[in-house]
Amino acid sequence: QVQLVQSGAEVKKPGASVKVSCKASGYTFTSYYMHWVRQAPGQGLEYMGIINLSGGVTHYAQKFRGRVTMTSDTSTSTVYMELSSLISEDTAVYYCARELPNSLDFDYWGQGTLVTVSS
Amino acid sequence: QTVVTQEPSLTVSPGGTVTLTCASSTGAVTSGCYPNWFQQKPGQAPRALIYSTSNKHSWTPARFSGSLLGGKAALTLSGVQPEDEAEYYCLLYCGGAYVFGTGTKVTVL
Repeated sequence: QVQLVQSGAEVKKPGASVKVSCKASGYTFTSYYMHWVRQAPGQGLEYMGIINLSGGVTHYAQKFRGRVTMTSDTSTSTVYMELSSLISEDTAVYYCARELPNSLDFDYWGQGTLVTVSS
Repeated sequence: QTVVTQEPSLTVSPGGTVTLTCASSTGAVTSGCYPNWFQQKPGQAPRALIYSTSNKHSWTPARFSGSLLGGKAALTLSGVQPEDEAEYYCLLYCGGAYVFGTGTKVTVL
């Protein structure tokens, strides 16, 4: 069965970076895109960007360009999202979600990773 | 910057019908915006319900349906069950950018 399992919660200081992982199983890893979405406490969903797992091409939402980097490791079927220069407003749950290319269907999601930014 | 607006909250009686809408600040929502709908319960990840306006997943209950209504995307819940109480988010892909809606809290009372 399809599973996206994310890494555990993180606590970071302002100005630091965080790297969240999303390990996929149950399907052909490189046949899908992976998106990242975040949700601040008590707030709505916010789109961050996408990585094409066949080739590694990325596209980031304008708000996060220059601060976010999405990468993948096909040998372990793992996708990474690194966010730098953290501020308190980056405190959120971060989700990965897969998409069959050009289907515009975010069918499976990871369980989420809470990142807390606090001095 | 596109803003996608949903009703903040709706209340429905068990067995009733409720329609949630999803509007774009840039104009009418069309099938070319590939509307998606997600359900999220407290402490859980979002769950996909509808993609490309009206397509359901294998796990989507038959009482959920998606459509276009008056220039907006719409999600209709017919024969609402207590377990449908949740937050619902739409997602639009208009003009090459993904934007989530503001979310609708559905209360079953």
